Amino acid sequence: RKEVEQDPGPFNVPEGATVAFNCTYSNSASQSFFWYRQDCRKEPKLLMSVYSSGNEDGRFTAQLNRASQYISLLIRDSKLSDSATYLCVVNGGGGSYIPTFGRGTSLIVHP
Amino acid sequence: AAGVIQSPRHLIKEKRETATLKCYPIPRHDTVYWYQQGPGQDPQFLISFYEKMQSDKGSIPDRFSAQQFSDYHSELNMSSLELGDSALYFCASSLTGTGTNEKLFFGSGTQLSVL
Repeated sequence: RKEVEQDPGPFNVPEGATVAFNCTYSNSASQSFFWYRQDCRKEPKLLMSVYSSGNEDGRFTAQLNRASQYISLLIRDSKLSDSATYLCVVNGGGGSYIPTFGRGTSLIVHP
Repeated sequence: AAGVIQSPRHLIKEKRETATLKCYPIPRHDTVYWYQQGPGQDPQFLISFYEKMQSDKGSIPDRFSAQQFSDYHSELNMSSLELGDSALYFCASSLTGTGTNEKLFFGSGTQLSVL
């Protein structure tokens, strides 16, 4: 079982839709969590950190559920430019400081 | 603002050849990571350095080695290349100091093609 698991999708949604992705992690001692966005053949770029209290950045909201060991990303009012792969990253736990990536969830926003 | 710089952007090699990838982290960042990403795959951690010392090792083949130099740039050396080494290689840097809440900043990657 992978340490960080994501539904690869693709999620195919119309412009203006709300879409949510989940990511589960296996190491209960993990300490920090992030969402990255990756466009085809490009480098991952930090989208947002994820905190226990939840955090929002414009149309994006991230949540952390430690009890169930998952994080989520909600995108409201989807834009065509949101089409990308969204990577969940989990760091820390058990003396490890290696950021571990999920496989990514592909989002396609169509007109 | 300065970003992570990787070179070359593209590299074509033949089987059994060697390759060297370079990474220049963001100034004042003290940690460098190397990741390998195959087509349709997630980035796989290879190796990391903290303050020029190797700190963690992942799924890096014995044919690969890496080091970080006094100016903080890092090089990934790959020998006896195999077809399966064809992938995007990313370098990322971060600044330690906030525990594990370190944000990674990635370079544009090196696309290695082994023929």
